[in-house]
Amino acid sequence: GQQLNQSPQSMFIQEGEDVSMNCTSSSIFNTWLWYKQDPGEGPVLLIALYKAGELTSNGRLTAQFGITRKDSFLNISASIPSDVGIYFCAGQRSGNQFYFGTGTSLTVIP
Amino acid sequence: GAGVSQTPSNKVTEKGKYVELRCDPISGHTALYWYRQSLGQGPEFLIYFQGTGAADDSGLPNDRFFAVRPEGSVSTLKIQRTERGDSAVYLCASSSGGSSYNEQFFGPGTRLTVL
Repeated sequence: GQQLNQSPQSMFIQEGEDVSMNCTSSSIFNTWLWYKQDPGEGPVLLIALYKAGELTSNGRLTAQFGITRKDSFLNISASIPSDVGIYFCAGQRSGNQFYFGTGTSLTVIP
Repeated sequence: GAGVSQTPSNKVTEKGKYVELRCDPISGHTALYWYRQSLGQGPEFLIYFQGTGAADDSGLPNDRFFAVRPEGSVSTLKIQRTERGDSAVYLCASSSGGSSYNEQFFGPGTRLTVL
């Protein structure tokens, strides 16, 4: 199945630093989602984006729906140790099928 | 608890055997999804139920995979003649459904290992 391309694949940062990751696709999506997954758990939704150009924040997290509708980015400001995990983007074209990215693994060094 | 639950949490089987994986969605959620997540990858869509019917099963990899949701609540993913390549974490998610996006709540998954 189709998967979205996420970069970087992994990140090692110092606590307090800002983080930026992005997701690209060759196809247009109508909805972009960002999830966080901890080991042994299912993904948990962080932010949902519904319109091209939309910029949405959730606490220290900010995500944008790219103007071309083929990309999205997620920023995390002032990282803390509990931000550790794998971050996935997901896109929805129509219907109820969602395509997930390859994931960005984040490690925060205290 | 009020979340999505999946059983078993781990399943080890031998190549060629039949397995069933169970998902208990959040009460009242009409939409239910199954995904497969291989190591180091994102979840891959398998099948979507709206109520009792499979509204989209285009993600099922082949006819060895089948899922049911007979009463519109609990769902079972069935895999026949398992192969080593079926080893993965199988995730279930439920949502309140509807035509626009509604948040999917994921269960912890069942880790299937085929020896």
